[in-house]
Amino acid sequence: EPEVTQTPSHQVTQMGQEVILRCVPISNHLYFYWYRQILGQKVEFLVSFYNNEISEKSEIFDDQFSVERPDGSNFTLKIRSTKLEDSAMYFCASGLTGHSYEQYFGPGTRLTVT
Amino acid sequence: KNQVEQSPQSLIILEGKNCTLQCNYTVSPFSNLRWYKQDTGRGPVSLTIMTFSENTKSNGRYTATLDADTKQSSLHITASQLSDSASYICVVSASNTGTASKLTFGTGTRLQVTL
Repeated sequence: EPEVTQTPSHQVTQMGQEVILRCVPISNHLYFYWYRQILGQKVEFLVSFYNNEISEKSEIFDDQFSVERPDGSNFTLKIRSTKLEDSAMYFCASGLTGHSYEQYFGPGTRLTVT
Repeated sequence: KNQVEQSPQSLIILEGKNCTLQCNYTVSPFSNLRWYKQDTGRGPVSLTIMTFSENTKSNGRYTATLDADTKQSSLHITASQLSDSASYICVVSASNTGTASKLTFGTGTRLQVTL
């Protein structure tokens, strides 16, 4: 069964460094999302992406964040200058359509900022 | 403000027993409600999805109910197995246009099934 994959599974970085989290969505999906989950807290929406542009973003997704689909398969989340509070699990999701319930989540990347 | 509250926060049951998890929401306008299972360190996996007109939906040993009038949902797990140990998250969509930002996540119920 097709699934969303994410790399790396765990990323440790120093405060102020740039990180890129990578996702490979399900191949025929058209809608892509990033979420984050701070330890012990709720999953929070960051951004949705369709047709090579951001379709919606939350207030969390500030200028430090950017997303890109550099080729036909990868979907990346870049954090330019990481802060301690960026430490969280970051989940990528993809969907064939834009309906909110048709989203398939990846296993997540645990980002630890020291 | 849209909110999803879940109870209990955590639950320990013996293998083979049944359990029911609760979800109350104040999300408007309501579009759909789904239950996810999230294993530790993994992404959420969808169990059930219900729209306004659906009262109950089953997926194997998982049965979800929805009362749109009282804005409550429950997830019943029958004959629990050790592999059911996970967090169960209630997620409510406030829009039928499908925008992800309209999803409201609960904090989840942490279920532990023991021998």
